[in-house]
Amino acid sequence: KAGVTQTPRYLIKTRGQQVTLSCSPISGHRSVSWYQQTPGQGLQFLFEYFSETQRNKGNFPGRFSGRQFSNSRSEMNVSTLELGDSALYLCASSLGYRVDEQFFGPGTRLTVL
Amino acid sequence: KNEVEQSPQNLTAQEGEFITINCSYSVGISALHWLQQHPGGGIVSLFMLSSGKKKHGRLIATINIQEKHSSLHITASHPRDSAVYICAVRPINTGTASKLTFGTGTRLQVML
Repeated sequence: KAGVTQTPRYLIKTRGQQVTLSCSPISGHRSVSWYQQTPGQGLQFLFEYFSETQRNKGNFPGRFSGRQFSNSRSEMNVSTLELGDSALYLCASSLGYRVDEQFFGPGTRLTVL
Repeated sequence: KNEVEQSPQNLTAQEGEFITINCSYSVGISALHWLQQHPGGGIVSLFMLSSGKKKHGRLIATINIQEKHSSLHITASHPRDSAVYICAVRPINTGTASKLTFGTGTRLQVML
């Protein structure tokens, strides 16, 4: 069974631009969560989606948004990029909502110049 | 004070040593996760537990719900165990959103 895939793996953008990251969960998994990892703040929760509905949101500004499609694939969007948005963005999928083991993708490393 | 505290922050061991990494948390939880992150970023879920003890190969994870404490043990450590180990908890849903909360990680280096 294929693992969680994320595209692109690396991305360089400039301040003010916007970016869309994609996550394909393991087949059959209906829950997708997104996380941001930076050297200063560590891992922080961004969003959690289940059955196309955002079930949970972390403490991030409105510039961070996401969605989940009917095939459970998910995208996250960051608008008006800031230097501080440079980070590793990780997505994880699980069978159900909250109670199941999470399987992580390889991440997308975003650099904002 | 962080909801999840790990110790030690850094750990250097010789091959073959028994290693213990600790995680303490301050809230009621429905589950605790131990994750492993190698250089390059990929994260692997090692354990998810809500009570007792789990074992997988040379790895053992224990949790004491009453004391709000978990330990990850590595027996017969090997250089390939060198990684960052991260503890994460899922607080009990109290009607507000329950989100996975992470410790800052323990960086382990196992020397030959």
